[in-house]
Amino acid sequence: AQTVTQSQPEMSVQEAETVTLSCTYDTSESNYYLFWYKQPPSRQMILVIRQEAYKQQNATENRFSVNFQKAAKSFSLKISDSQLGDTAMYFCAFMDNDMRFGAGTRLTVKP
Amino acid sequence: DADVTQTPRNRITKTGKRIMLECSQTKGHDRMYWYRQDPGLGLRLIYYSFDVKDINKGEISDGYSVSRQAQAKFSLSLESAIPNQTALYFCATKRTSGGGELFFGEGSRLTVL
Repeated sequence: AQTVTQSQPEMSVQEAETVTLSCTYDTSESNYYLFWYKQPPSRQMILVIRQEAYKQQNATENRFSVNFQKAAKSFSLKISDSQLGDTAMYFCAFMDNDMRFGAGTRLTVKP
Repeated sequence: DADVTQTPRNRITKTGKRIMLECSQTKGHDRMYWYRQDPGLGLRLIYYSFDVKDINKGEISDGYSVSRQAQAKFSLSLESAIPNQTALYFCATKRTSGGGELFFGEGSRLTVL
């Protein structure tokens, strides 16, 4: 079964700066999907960004972008111009038939 | 109204009691999932269903059972709750084709005393 590892339990960043959250995964599949979800204190799970493994181009959504390294099985999330509202838990997830999540990184954006 | 609705949102119960968490969706998705979230462990898959007649165990199914009553309804039961089942439980849905994301309910926080 695939595993997803987030090695940074907690991170902090100053408002307006850039932060990168790390994620690695293990799979023998060649076709799969990767996601980053955000969970603010409201506990709602919100999709941040999605990457399809067969696409070499890194996905971007406004201030959020990923660095997808398929050979290294790495999928990091970069948040640019951090805002106070970005404070949340961030989960990396891998999907083929079902979706598996990493343990999460708690990000705090400081004013 | 939410596309994926979970009831109850919060529940406190005692050891040994039977508990059912319910999930209904209006997205028309065939696939439905139950996860539990624990601090430091992320979300772990309990059960998932690809349609009414197709139910599969996830990585932590022991102590849980599910029922897919209809395409739109997927319930999770704890037959005899124990304290280490205290957690935040999420229901999620997904369309069948492609690699689309999961759509989550708002979560059900269960405390077993």
